[in-house]
Parts: sequence; structure tokens; C-alpha cells
Amino acid sequence: EDQVTQSPEALRLQEGESSSLNCSYTVSGLRGLFWYRQDPGKGPEFLFTLYSAGEEKEKERLKATLTKKESFLHITAPKPEDSATYLCAVQVPLIKAAGNKLTFGGGTRVLVKP
Amino acid sequence: NAGVTQTPKFRVLKTGQSMTLLCAQDMNHEYMYWYRQDPGMGLRLIHYSVGEGTTAKGEVPDGYNVSRLKKQNFLLGLESAAPSQTSVYFCASKWRGGGANVLTFGAGSRLTVL
Repeated sequence: EDQVTQSPEALRLQEGESSSLNCSYTVSGLRGLFWYRQDPGKGPEFLFTLYSAGEEKEKERLKATLTKKESFLHITAPKPEDSATYLCAVQVPLIKAAGNKLTFGGGTRVLVKP
Repeated sequence: NAGVTQTPKFRVLKTGQSMTLLCAQDMNHEYMYWYRQDPGMGLRLIHYSVGEGTTAKGEVPDGYNVSRLKKQNFLLGLESAAPSQTSVYFCASKWRGGGANVLTFGAGSRLTVL
């Protein structure tokens, strides 16, 4: 069974205090690892896709990395507007049809205080 | 360009009542998905569709039915609502093609079953 585990569940940071979020996974047939950001009362918004171990992607203060068993989302010098829930998801094949589906972790709630 | 639109945004039901959630997308996407999001459990796939007239079960399909009569619409039905179906429901869609193959989510529908 495909499993995605995110840690920590919640993270409180001071503005400028860098940190990392972890996403560990056990899946068959990984077809990509996705990071999404979700603000309260809204749907998830796409951040990054990583396909192979060693790959890295950056966007402003966020940097995602991937190994064979886990991914990290590094937040460098965060600002209050980086406060959100960050979701990790693995893309795996659908069983009953061509194509893929996303299996999500439980998310990490990040609060950045000014 | 509206993207993915879900209606209603909020609904309160009594146990045993029925209702339908509507998802509409204007991006001509072939694939559509219904997820539910519960605290600490992440997003779980209920049903999905890979094209007009086709639907399939996801991870947690019991108590739900779906229909995809038109390519742009994906309906999620609850025939006899139960308190365990209290959740936030998200619809998502994506293009069939490869590449980043990113899911676009709606804003969510919050359902409370009393």
C-alpha cells in the first residue's frame, strides 16, 4: 500500500528562521513527487514536481529536494506570508485506468511570526 | 478563466438526507477527481473519471456515487448522509498529457452532517 508521511505536523517559526519539512514515502511505481501549498479555506496550489533522486527545484524562499525515500521542503528566511499548510503527494499509476493519481501526506502546518 | 468551480461552498445536512456536489472546470481537462480532506489524514481519493461517461472508485468510495455526463462537470452524490461524511470535499482536474501533469483544485465544499 502506498504511504506518504509528513513531519512535523506543525511548525512555528520566527520570521527569518530557516527550517525544513520532511516527506517520506513508500510507493510502487513512483511517477513524481509533488509539493502543494494550501491556505485556510482554499484548495491546494501547486508548487513543485520532482521526478528523480538528486533533483532540486527552487521558488523564491522555497527549495524542494528528492531522495529515493524522502523529500524535503526547505524554507529559507521565511516571511509571515509563507504561513500555510504544505502538502506532499506522490504520483502513482491508477489501478483501473490509464493515467495517474496523487496520494497525499497529512501536511505540515507552518506559522511564521513577525 | 474560472478554473475549477465547486458548488455549494457550505452545506449542513441531517443524517439520512441526500445531496449532490457539483464540480465544473473550464480547462477542457479529461481527468477529474473527488477528494475528501479530514484533519490529520490528508486528502483521500473518493472517485475519479478519466473521461466523459467513465468513472471509477478511489480509496474511500463507500457511501458516495459520481457521474460525468459532460466533460466539464463531475458530480458527487451522497444518497444517505452519515456523520462520518462530515468533511471538506475538493474537486480537481488535469489534462491527460504528460509533463508536469499538475492537478488544479477547486476551493472546496465544506459539508457537515448532523
